[in-house]
Amino acid sequence: DQQVKQNSPSLSVQEGRISILNCDYTNSMFDYFLWYKKYPAEGPTFLISISSIKDKNEDGRFTVFLNKSAKHLSLHIVPSQPGDSAVYFCAQGAQKLVFGQGTRLTINP
Amino acid sequence: EAQVTQNPRYLITVTGKKLTVTCSQNMNHEYMSWYRQDPGLGLRQIYYSMNVEVTDKGDVPEGYKVSRKEKRNFPLILESPSPNQTSLYFCASSSRSGWRTKNIQYFGAGTRLSVL
Repeated sequence: DQQVKQNSPSLSVQEGRISILNCDYTNSMFDYFLWYKKYPAEGPTFLISISSIKDKNEDGRFTVFLNKSAKHLSLHIVPSQPGDSAVYFCAQGAQKLVFGQGTRLTINP
Repeated sequence: EAQVTQNPRYLITVTGKKLTVTCSQNMNHEYMSWYRQDPGLGLRQIYYSMNVEVTDKGDVPEGYKVSRKEKRNFPLILESPSPNQTSLYFCASSSRSGWRTKNIQYFGAGTRLSVL
């Protein structure tokens, strides 16, 4: 069974500080992970991805870390900006994606 | 502009009245998919299509139908909608490639459906 879980429904962070969003998965057979960002009234948009041959991938202010032994990945946003306020979904798979429940990130000025 | 277009964006209907939500993409993508988003459950896949005339069930296919007669279009059909199908629906597409970085899915803006 393939499950992806985001255990924090919401997270509030001060502008300029680091935001850390977490995600756990159960099935190691699928070795590609993605983060999507979703604003209200819009569809999810791709943010960053990582394959299991790496343990870190960086793109500007966004870094994803993969801990295969713990079956855990995290998204770090540094520094956090008000425009980062959105719902973040982690997903696992290639063509068929399994999504977590999402974490609503709020960046406070 | 590369995009996935869903229509309608909002729909209120009554139980049992057949409806179709259209989805069209202009990126020549092989893979298309439908998801529903419900509070606390994230996005769950309803149906997907690997190419024209090739469709398969996702995780929550009950009560839905799809067809893929043309590469760009992937309509979602609810033959007899019920209140438990009230949800936010997203269509997505991606290029079918051996390189995973090209398998990023692009989503439409969503269709909010209410079944009374």
